[in-house]
Amino acid sequence: GAVVSQHPSWVICKSGTSVKIECRSLDFQATTMFWYRQFPKQSLMLMATSNEGSKATYEQGVEKDKFLINHASLTLSTLTVTSAHPEDSSFYICSAGTGDLNEQYFGPGTRLTVT
Amino acid sequence: GQNIDQPTEMTATEGAIVQINCTYQTSGFNGLFWYQQHAGEAPTFLSYNVLDGLEEKGRFSSFLSRSKGYSYLLLKELQMKDSASYLCSVTDSNYQLIWGAGTKLIIKP
Repeated sequence: GAVVSQHPSWVICKSGTSVKIECRSLDFQATTMFWYRQFPKQSLMLMATSNEGSKATYEQGVEKDKFLINHASLTLSTLTVTSAHPEDSSFYICSAGTGDLNEQYFGPGTRLTVT
Repeated sequence: GQNIDQPTEMTATEGAIVQINCTYQTSGFNGLFWYQQHAGEAPTFLSYNVLDGLEEKGRFSSFLSRSKGYSYLLLKELQMKDSASYLCSVTDSNYQLIWGAGTKLIIKP
């Protein structure tokens, strides 16, 4: 089956620094990738949708200058949390879609802790 | 290893009731989520169970048995718009999300 990886799986950084999270589709080409955030015991929250080669579409309330998304190729999308603060500590999950709109594959997530 | 099993596809009739099962084996348990996902769209949250029992929310209900590692999502009075994929996911002891592959539900008139 289709596999989506994320790296790193967990990261601890200091307040004010930037962190980059990678999302890769390992055995298929992902035309669309979604980025989510999830706080403990809460549901997924969609942050943005990115299509390869174009700018990401951000959900209302998500700061595009703080959460930089780049979908440079059909197998890689990156989320950079800039000038991270403790309130950015969360679980970040990506999912990747193929040309078949019924197929959406989730990555295992990245746990970010900002101290 | 950790895994979540749910049927790949189910078919039901408009107006009927359908139950989608989910079984899990994870290292620890901190809650189970059900999501609905329409084709080409991001998943939307349906329910969250952390204690045993049935949680009812309108036409949708979700049940959990932690001792059996089992949950089900019950959809009543099915409508055509309920045709979607339904994703089961479990939060383990490290609060990592383990995802099922999803069940594609097809509603026929």
